[in-house]
Amino acid sequence: DAGVIQSPRHEVTEMGQEVTLRCKPISGHNSLFWYRQTMMRGLELLIYFNNNVPIDDSGMPEDRFSAKMPNASFSTLKIQPSEPRDSAVYFCASSPRSGGRSSPLHFGNGTRLTVT
Amino acid sequence: SQQGEEDPQALSIQEGENATMNCSYKTSINNLQWYRQNSGRGLVHLILIRSNEREKHSGRLRVTLDTSKKSSSLLITASRAADTASYFCATAESTGTASKLTFGTGTRLQVTL
Repeated sequence: DAGVIQSPRHEVTEMGQEVTLRCKPISGHNSLFWYRQTMMRGLELLIYFNNNVPIDDSGMPEDRFSAKMPNASFSTLKIQPSEPRDSAVYFCASSPRSGGRSSPLHFGNGTRLTVT
Repeated sequence: SQQGEEDPQALSIQEGENATMNCSYKTSINNLQWYRQNSGRGLVHLILIRSNEREKHSGRLRVTLDTSKKSSSLLITASRAADTASYFCATAESTGTASKLTFGTGTRLQVTL
């Protein structure tokens, strides 16, 4: 079991550039989540998918953020254009049962994004 | 917005001592989960307690849940240096969308030799 795989591990970009973060969930997991972690705001849920369908994107900060899940084994989180306040660690997590309230999340090791 | 608030924010103990962390939350929940995060890594699930349970054990971990007070505690017994990490509680709300977990602010635990 390779776990949740995120890439890149680190991303440094200039303000105004497009940033794409990638995630491969654990095979067989039905739910996928994108979280953002900062010192000031802690862990924030941005969006989550069940069976590749976005269920709740109320945490997406603004229109500059978008997420897709074209198939069960891949998801992207895109920021266009990026701003310095987007600097954070972005985590992807997956869980085994769609709609399952009692399913623990399995986290990747995150992408540390720095926007200068 | 933060659902859970952990207390204390930081805790420093010596190896062999017990560590207790508390979590308070605001809404009705279906279950409460505890996670550990080592520096530079993702969160790792430790234990889940359902709203109809009051206490649960897993190895050196003991979790309690008091739904009347909307609070939970995590006890780590006989702590080890390897327990040094941040610990987060997370709640799954009993209404609305089933899968959504909201995390607390975390407790940073330092275990020294």
